[in-house]
Amino acid sequence: EDQVTQSPEALRLQEGESSSLNCSYTVSGLRGLFWYRQDPGKGPEFLFTLYSAGEEKEKERLKATLTKKESFLHITAPKPEDSATYLCAVGSGNTGKLIFGQGTTLQVKP
Amino acid sequence: NAGVTQTPKFQVLKTGQSMTLQCAQDMNHNSMYWYRQDPGMGLRLIYYSASEGTTDKGEVPNGYNVSRLNKREFSLRLESAAPSQTSVYFCASSSLDAQPQHFGDGTRLSIL
Repeated sequence: EDQVTQSPEALRLQEGESSSLNCSYTVSGLRGLFWYRQDPGKGPEFLFTLYSAGEEKEKERLKATLTKKESFLHITAPKPEDSATYLCAVGSGNTGKLIFGQGTTLQVKP
Repeated sequence: NAGVTQTPKFQVLKTGQSMTLQCAQDMNHNSMYWYRQDPGMGLRLIYYSASEGTTDKGEVPNGYNVSRLNKREFSLRLESAAPSQTSVYFCASSSLDAQPQHFGDGTRLSIL
């Protein structure tokens, strides 16, 4: 069964305190791993797609990496505006659909 | 840059009432999706349309129907609303299956 688990559920950081969010997955035939950011009252906003183990993508203070079983979203020197819920999803080779994790809610305090 | 537009943004219904949630995208995407998002449950796929003229059930289709009106528009209908359908509903679109999906800002639906 295709499954995505994100940890931790919630993370509080001080401004400038780097950390990582984890996304573990089991899927039949990975067709991409997707990271989204979701602000309160808004829809998820697409950040990155990773397709193969070893691949990395960066955007500002965010860097996403992928292995065969998990992905990490590294946040370097975060700012309060990075506070949001971060969602991970995998594309299933069985169905072609995205399977979403429950998200990690990040709070960055000044 | 409208992207994906959903209407209405908020709605309160009584049990047994019906309503249609509207979604339109201006990115010329082939595939469109309806999700619901509940606390602790993540995003769950209700229905999707891989291309104009086709629709298929997702993970939680019971109590819902959909219509792919044309390439741009994909509507979700609740025929007889139940309190268990209180949720935030998101519409999304993508160029093809398993490609990045782009989301609207949701419809917050409460059923009393």
